Amino acid sequence: QVQLVQSGAEVKKPGSSVKVSCKTSGGTFSSNGITWVRQAPGQEFEWMGGIIPMFDTINYAQKFQGRVTITADKSTSTAYLEVSSLRSEDTAVYYCARVNEDYYFDNWGQGTLVTVSS
Amino acid sequence: DIQMTQSPSSLSASIGDRVTVTCRASQGITYSLAWYQQKPGRAPKLLVYDATRLESGVPSRFSGSGSGTDYTLTISSLQPEDFATYYCQQYYSTPVYTFGQGTKLEIK
Repeated sequence: QVQLVQSGAEVKKPGSSVKVSCKTSGGTFSSNGITWVRQAPGQEFEWMGGIIPMFDTINYAQKFQGRVTITADKSTSTAYLEVSSLRSEDTAVYYCARVNEDYYFDNWGQGTLVTVSS
Repeated sequence: DIQMTQSPSSLSASIGDRVTVTCRASQGITYSLAWYQQKPGRAPKLLVYDATRLESGVPSRFSGSGSGTDYTLTISSLQPEDFATYYCQQYYSTPVYTFGQGTKLEIK
């Protein structure tokens, strides 16, 4: 079955960057999209952006344009999310999810907690 | 962006109750709606897609309905494992997606 396994928790200083990985197995990595969503403590989900590796198509939420970079390595079926210029408000659990052919999110990674603190 | 307004934000119910959660989109989304269940410390789990279709393995006590801008998730007879937070999500405006604020279902 499809599995998405994310990298471990991170603690970062304000102004630094973080890169989270999402390794997929059991599906067709290139043709399905991978999307990134975050959830601050006690808050709702916030869509950040996504990539379709087969077409190298990348989309970002307007809020994160210029501060977030999404990439994918087709050889290892791994997607990456990099967030730069971190601030305390970026403290959240970051999730990757597979985008089904019909555009809903049918499988999710386990989440990666990123804590931004001085 | 399409805004998703979910209600209620929290709900207390008893085992065996019938429960309904609603989600209203700021514009028509022609059935492009999914419902997810999230338990504390866990990733979301897909329950319903295309507004009415049950994901494989999801118990039949869950159902989705609605059209246009208004959608509903119903649990016909609450079980102990159903106490969680539920979120709606629209994918009509793919590749831009938005979620509802969530409904926390608690034991009365």
